[in-house]
Amino acid sequence: EVQVVESGGDLVQPGGSLRLSCAASGFIFSKYWMTWVRQAPGKGLEWVANIKQDGSEKYYVDSVKGRFTISRDNAKNSQYLQMNSLRAEDTAVYYCARGADPDVWGQGTTVTVSS
Amino acid sequence: VVMTQSPLSLPVTLGQPASISCRSSQSLLYSNGNTYLNWFHQRPGQSPRRLIYKVSNRDSGVPDRFSGSGSGTDFTLKISRVEAEDVGVYYCMQGTHWPLTFGPGTKVDIK
Repeated sequence: EVQVVESGGDLVQPGGSLRLSCAASGFIFSKYWMTWVRQAPGKGLEWVANIKQDGSEKYYVDSVKGRFTISRDNAKNSQYLQMNSLRAEDTAVYYCARGADPDVWGQGTTVTVSS
Repeated sequence: VVMTQSPLSLPVTLGQPASISCRSSQSLLYSNGNTYLNWFHQRPGQSPRRLIYKVSNRDSGVPDRFSGSGSGTDFTLKISRVEAEDVGVYYCMQGTHWPLTFGPGTKVDIK
């Protein structure tokens, strides 16, 4: 079965850091772009970041540039989102998704930034 | 690229057609000739599901009552006959220009 599973969401204080992970299975991970999308409570979808198959290209939404870093480990069929200097407005469900035009989505992991 | 959708709320009658418009602030035609416009559906409490990619291509398992059309900056998602399972929020998303962007969403519910 093709799937992606996120983990790592937690409650963190403003200014803190968190690392999200996404484990992929059922497909050849190294052949796909990967994506992170987030959804704040009661709000719409917001694209966060993309990473190319070999990690050579990475793109971010302006609001996270310089604070978030997307990465991947093709040997482990996993991608990651390192989130630093977290703000209250980063509170959201974070989805891992396959492809630049994401066709497979995980169930999401919740990040809450609050003191 | 700013994506707009209309309407933002769409009450529908079961068995009747429905249509959602999506507009982009720039052309979504990429240099390779493809137009990267996708449609997603999100039911309450669930993850999004892609329905349509590259304007008009239905994903596997998507009922044929869903269709996508358009070009350049104007796109449309049509449901030929709405069923109860179609409720939720529909999002368009452009994949041509970074940063990629979603529309605000159109909430579909049953009258």
